[in-house]
Amino acid sequence: AQSVTQPDIHITVSEGASLELRCNYSYGATPYLFWYVQSPGQGLQLLLKYFSGDTLVQGIKGFEAEFKRSQSSFNLRKPSVHWSDAAEYFCAVGPYNTNAGKSTFGDGTTLTVKP
Amino acid sequence: DVKVTQSSRYLVKRTGEKVFLECVQDMDHENMFWYRQDPGLGLRLIYFSYDVKMKEKGDIPEGYSVSREKKERFSLILESASTNQTSMYLCASSPGGNQGTAGELFFGEGSRLTVL
Repeated sequence: AQSVTQPDIHITVSEGASLELRCNYSYGATPYLFWYVQSPGQGLQLLLKYFSGDTLVQGIKGFEAEFKRSQSSFNLRKPSVHWSDAAEYFCAVGPYNTNAGKSTFGDGTTLTVKP
Repeated sequence: DVKVTQSSRYLVKRTGEKVFLECVQDMDHENMFWYRQDPGLGLRLIYFSYDVKMKEKGDIPEGYSVSREKKERFSLILESASTNQTSMYLCASSPGGNQGTAGELFFGEGSRLTVL
């Protein structure tokens, strides 16, 4: 069965500092991997995704993530955090069968940005 | 702009009431999902549907049912609401097949339900 672990429940960084959010997955084949962001009181929005090819993927809002098969990781990074990045971040593994499957989410990491 | 619309952002209901949460998507997606989100528990899948009139149980289907009579609409039903169903409910849709966005979930803004 597929699973996703986000080891950090809560992270605090200063505005302008770099950010890395960790994600580890368990999956039997090459996974579809996603990062979503959720602002307070809102639904989730896709930041970026990995399906195949280049292991470094670029997303919206200046985020990027790197797929490392050997480490079963898909960590999210941003070189300089802005106060508006404060939100909850979810890593997810997509369904093997995109026609009828379901995604598996990590429990999320809450990001606080200090001025 | 693609959109998933949930009919109510905030609802307050009484224990034992029947509750309908409606979700509509305008992207012609095959798959639709209902999640609930609670602090410390992440997103938990209640039900999903991969075709009209088809439904599959998710991880926590007890106390819920769903209806998908049309491709664009997926309804979550609480037959007899209870206080432990107070939560944020999120609807999502995704395309099937091998499209570029296959597997990607598009979420509505959520419906916060309080059961008194």
